[in-house]
Amino acid sequence: SQKIEQNSEALNIQEGKTATLTCNYTNYSPAYLQWYRQDPGRGPVFLLLIRENEKEKRKERLKVTFDTTLKQSLFHITASQPADSATYLCALGQGQNFVFGPGTRLSVLP
Amino acid sequence: DTGVSQDPRHKITKRGQNVTFRCDPISEHNRLYWYRQTLGQGPEFLTYFQNEAQLEKSRLLSDRFSAERPKGSFSTLEIQRTEQGDSAMYLCASSYTRTSGGTDTQYFGPGTRLTVL
Repeated sequence: SQKIEQNSEALNIQEGKTATLTCNYTNYSPAYLQWYRQDPGRGPVFLLLIRENEKEKRKERLKVTFDTTLKQSLFHITASQPADSATYLCALGQGQNFVFGPGTRLSVLP
Repeated sequence: DTGVSQDPRHKITKRGQNVTFRCDPISEHNRLYWYRQTLGQGPEFLTYFQNEAQLEKSRLLSDRFSAERPKGSFSTLEIQRTEQGDSAMYLCASSYTRTSGGTDTQYFGPGTRLTVL
């Protein structure tokens, strides 16, 4: 059956460290993968998109990798700050169809 | 503000009542999506429109659910005879896509939280 898993339900790290979130999937062949941030009581906000033929994408303190052989994406936040605390969702895309993972709740401790 | 807006933000209703939610997308966006999200889960796709045409509906969308986008601008999602299991956050998103099959970055509204008593 198709499944999307995101590392743990919650991840706590110390301010200034690098946060690494994982997104693993089975029985999907996404053409692209996106990462979203969601704060409590609000809709998701788009962060980054990476296509199947791209290995890595960067945007400021964010970095995403996409390994279609391992069926995995890694999402890194460097020099993390308490303001980065939120739930992060990966979403697999094939054309206009989107499937979201369950999310990882990140807490950056001061 | 030119983002996606949703109304109401919160709705409490009794089981068996009908409810209707509205979504106003970003004005130049041709696609509009509805999702449902429960606590601790990611958004689940319900349906989407390209302009005024409803192109896809999830199996999650039972006969009690109906969505419209009459003029290709705002959209409404109606739930008839609500059940307690319908309690969730209902999210709307919009995007602009030039060609079919293109990648789709979606911009989400703040959601409507529905509580069915």
